[in-house]
Formats: sequence, C-alpha cells, structure tokens
Amino acid sequence: KAGVTQTPRYLIKTRGQQVTLSCSPISGHRSVSWYQQTPGQGLQFLFEYFSETQRNKGNFPGRFSGRQFSNSRSEMNVSTLELGDSALYLCASSPTGTGGQPQHFGDGTRLSIL
Amino acid sequence: DQQVKQNSPSLSVQEGRISILNCDYTNSMFDYFLWYKKYPAEGPTFLISISSIKDKNEDGRFTVFLNKSAKHLSLHIVPSQPGDSAVYFCAASPTLYQAGTALIFGKGTTLSVSS
Repeated sequence: KAGVTQTPRYLIKTRGQQVTLSCSPISGHRSVSWYQQTPGQGLQFLFEYFSETQRNKGNFPGRFSGRQFSNSRSEMNVSTLELGDSALYLCASSPTGTGGQPQHFGDGTRLSIL
Repeated sequence: DQQVKQNSPSLSVQEGRISILNCDYTNSMFDYFLWYKKYPAEGPTFLISISSIKDKNEDGRFTVFLNKSAKHLSLHIVPSQPGDSAVYFCAASPTLYQAGTALIFGKGTTLSVSS
C-alpha cells in the first residue's frame, strides 16, 4: 500500500514569495493534516481537512492556508514568505481524522527561505 | 507552554538492553497517546498508541505504559537494536473520537543504540 506522498521534497524561495506544497494521502484515507517542524518549536499542527472542509486549525497566521480536493489530495499555501517560515512541512493522513486513529506521515517538504 | 514534554533530549543504550523513553503531559483532556520514530530525511513513522482506558499496550518489542494520575507515559523497547537508533516523538490528542483531532507533540528524544 503506497504511503503518504509529498511533493516537492525540497524548495528554496525568497522572502515575499508564495509557495504551494502538495500531499497525496494513503489510498482510502480522507483526512489530511499538515504540521510544521522547526528546531525551536518542534512539530506544530497547522490544519486538518476532511471531505474538502477544514475542520480544525492551529495557531498560525492567515498567510498559511490549505485546501483539499474531491480525491482527498491536499495542498498547502504560504503567502508573503518570511525567513521564519523555513521549516520541514509534514502532511499526515488517517481514515477519518477521528481521535483514536494514528496519523501516517509523508517524508515532508523542506522549505528554505533566503 | 509545552503540553507534552520529553525531558531527555538523548538516550544511549547498548544493543540487547532495554530502552526506556519518557513523556509527561499537562493537559487532563488528553486521552489518546502515540509514539513515533523518525529517521533523518524521513517523516515520522507510527510505532504504537494507547488510549486512556488502558494502562499498557504491547506490540512486539515495543510496550507503552500510561500512568494517568501522574500524567506520564513511557515507551519500552526490549531488546534494543542498532536499527532502533532514531528520534522518538511522544504525541497526544484530546477527546477520543472527536473529528479533526490535532496531535500535540513533544520535542523528541534521540535514541542511540550501540552494538
């Protein structure tokens, strides 16, 4: 069974630009969550989508947004990039996103802001 | 304020011995707990979980213990193998069975198993 696929694996951008990251969940999984990992803050929850609807959102500015398509694939967008946005962005999927289900992670997109 | 804490940044163990990784939490609403393992350049891999209605869960060499009164959980790896060398993250989520649940992670413990 294929795992969670994230593209691209690496991105380099400059301040002020915007970026879109993509995530394909495990087949049959309809919930997709996004996390940001930085050395200082660790892994922090960004948002969760199910059936094309955002059900939960973490404490991040509005520059961070996402969406989910009817095939459960998800994209995350960051606008007006700042140096502090340099991080590993991880996507995770689960069957329904209900508590009590483990989330399965992709290998992440490493975003570097110059 | 960190709700999930892994107070030991690193742990070194000899092959064949037991590895014990610890995790403390502060939020009484947490009722589902997970352990993940992460190798460099890879995403976290789910290892084992436990819900608050249990105090122990086993899966092969991995056992997780939950002490709700102390708000403490631990992961035991027996016997430890060199391939277990990785960063281990403890995670918690509130309200079992709630939709859209977010995982709250500790900052990780780096386990090194020497042969």
